[in-house]
Amino acid sequence: AQTVTQSQPEMSVQEAETVTLSCTYDTSESDYYLFWYKQPPSRQMILVIRQEAYKQQNATENRFSVNFQKAAKSFSLKISDSQLGDAAMYFCAYRGLYSGGGADGLTFGKGTHLIIQP
Amino acid sequence: SAVISQKPSRDICQRGTSLTIQCQVDSQVTMMFWYRQQPGQSLTLIATANQGSEATYESGFVIDKFPISRPNLTFSTLTVSNMSPEDSSIYLCSVHYSYEQYFGPGTRLTVT
Repeated sequence: AQTVTQSQPEMSVQEAETVTLSCTYDTSESDYYLFWYKQPPSRQMILVIRQEAYKQQNATENRFSVNFQKAAKSFSLKISDSQLGDAAMYFCAYRGLYSGGGADGLTFGKGTHLIIQP
Repeated sequence: SAVISQKPSRDICQRGTSLTIQCQVDSQVTMMFWYRQQPGQSLTLIATANQGSEATYESGFVIDKFPISRPNLTFSTLTVSNMSPEDSSIYLCSVHYSYEQYFGPGTRLTVT
């Protein structure tokens, strides 16, 4: 079974600074997807960024970028120019490729609570 | 994108009773997923629901406790049966659509 580990229960960063959230995972599959989700107090899960394992290029979405190290099974999220609205729980998640014509559910890490200091 | 709604958004229930949570998607999807998020915890997959077939449950979750219906490609229900305080959680519906995974706003359940 796949596992996802987020070793930082909480991180704090000054507004406008850069912060990196860590995530490692364990899998025997060669192709899969990795995600970072943001969950603000409203509890709505918001997709931040997605990475396909077969792509060597790291995904980027505006101020959010990842450092995907497939051999090390590491998938960290970098948030640049942190803003107060970035404060939330961040979850790293894994999903295998389609199996039997359908899609697997996600396996989540325990989450990192990100605090933005004004 | 896919827009998901859930009903109810929250409820307070007495132990021993059952609650059915509804999930509606604005697009036709093959698979729908139900997750549980216990207080202060991460999300855990309960089951996967395919239209026209029995749901597939993850380890630790059983059909008698969490029966699921999937009558068509845009709707599903999850029932939490014979509730106990340990069932107090947020229950989220999710779909896989156009290579992305979308989540509903969740149902916050409190069992007293």
